Amino acid sequence: ETGVTQSPTHLIKTRGQQVTLRCSSQSGHNTVSWYQQALGQGPQFIFQYYREEENGRGNFPPRFSGLQFPNYSSELNVNALELDDSALYLCASSIRDGTESQYFGPGTRLLVL
Amino acid sequence: DAKTTQPPSMDCAEGRAANLPCNHSTISGNEYVYWYRQIHSQGPQYIIHGLKNNETNEMASLIITEDRKSSTLILPHATLRDTAVYYCIVRPRSGAGSYQLTFGKGTKLSVIP
Repeated sequence: ETGVTQSPTHLIKTRGQQVTLRCSSQSGHNTVSWYQQALGQGPQFIFQYYREEENGRGNFPPRFSGLQFPNYSSELNVNALELDDSALYLCASSIRDGTESQYFGPGTRLLVL
Repeated sequence: DAKTTQPPSMDCAEGRAANLPCNHSTISGNEYVYWYRQIHSQGPQYIIHGLKNNETNEMASLIITEDRKSSTLILPHATLRDTAVYYCIVRPRSGAGSYQLTFGKGTKLSVIP
């Protein structure tokens, strides 16, 4: 069974640029959620994708957007990067079975200069 | 806002049981209790979840009080690799908020040799 994978592991961007982060879900999982974790804080929910549509969204501006593909993999796109976007971005996959235990990937660490 | 209260830190001697408490006094009958842990710089790891009955798996036991207002995660024989931040999370089974995990600050467990 393949776990959740994310790419790249680290990334450095400058303010105003755009970034795309990628996630492959665990085998058999059809739902992907994205979280942002600032240093010293718990992860904060960005949004979730199910059946290629956004299924729920946290308190993040529209410049945070995403996609889910037919193979259930997903992308997180962030436009007009700000210094405060520097964080660990986590992807989690799950199955729509009522309990929906989410399984996390290792994360992508983004630094915005 | 997180619906749970946890002590910020705890120590446990290696080989002894680690008992991590969590208060969730406003929990409703429709909400699960989940436990995750996060080892430094890694993605959160799912440990266990329950609704009202005690649960046990290969990693831990979850004891939920009869009134469901608090719970305890038990690691029966703590090892140095169990040093991590442990998050107690309450999540609805369905409806609004059921798709996201709301993380608080968690408990930093240090296992001492």
